[in-house]
Amino acid sequence: AAGVIQSPRHLIKEKRETATLKCYPIPRHDTVYWYQQGPGQDPQFLISFYEKMQSDKGSIPDRFSAQQFSDYHSELNMSSLELGDSALYFCASSLRTSVDNEQFFGPGTRLTVL
Amino acid sequence: GESVGLHLPTLSVQEGDNSIINCAYSNSASDYFIWYKQESGKGPQFIIDIRSNMDKRQGQRVTVLLNKTVKHLSLQIAATQPGDSAVYFCADNRRGGGADGLTFGKGTHLIIQP
Repeated sequence: AAGVIQSPRHLIKEKRETATLKCYPIPRHDTVYWYQQGPGQDPQFLISFYEKMQSDKGSIPDRFSAQQFSDYHSELNMSSLELGDSALYFCASSLRTSVDNEQFFGPGTRLTVL
Repeated sequence: GESVGLHLPTLSVQEGDNSIINCAYSNSASDYFIWYKQESGKGPQFIIDIRSNMDKRQGQRVTVLLNKTVKHLSLQIAATQPGDSAVYFCADNRRGGGADGLTFGKGTHLIIQP
């Protein structure tokens, strides 16, 4: 079965640079979520989108922004990168009309800020 | 505050034994709980979920118990296998569905002894 696709899988950036992470949800899923997981930490919810509109917001820094496109893929844009932004970034997708709106996670993008 | 947490960071069990992983939550409004398994370098994988109108739910080799009186959640894994080695997170979808981000608790690292 098709899963959530994230690209790139690994990314290395310098401080103050920008980064763009991409997420391709499972086909027919209409909702995407972004999570950040620091080393040894639990995933922290950043933001979610449903039908191209922001639907929920978590602990996303003002330096980050995201959007969902007409084909339902999503991009997380990160600017003025800081050392503390080094983490795994997961995208999850779900079908909102499903009974429990189960979230399926992608493999993640490992971002390293030097 | 609103948090979902686990009691132990590491749990070591013998192969073939049953494992019990515990979780405490603090938000009385929580009505939907999910257990995720995360293997090293991978995204969280859905194991089982339960709604607050249930006390118990069983899956294949896994059982989730919910005690709303003491705000306690547990995951039981029967006949633990080497492939069960992973970090286990409980998560809370506070509004029980819709496009809401999950709140994860601190993970428990399950180690299987041969």
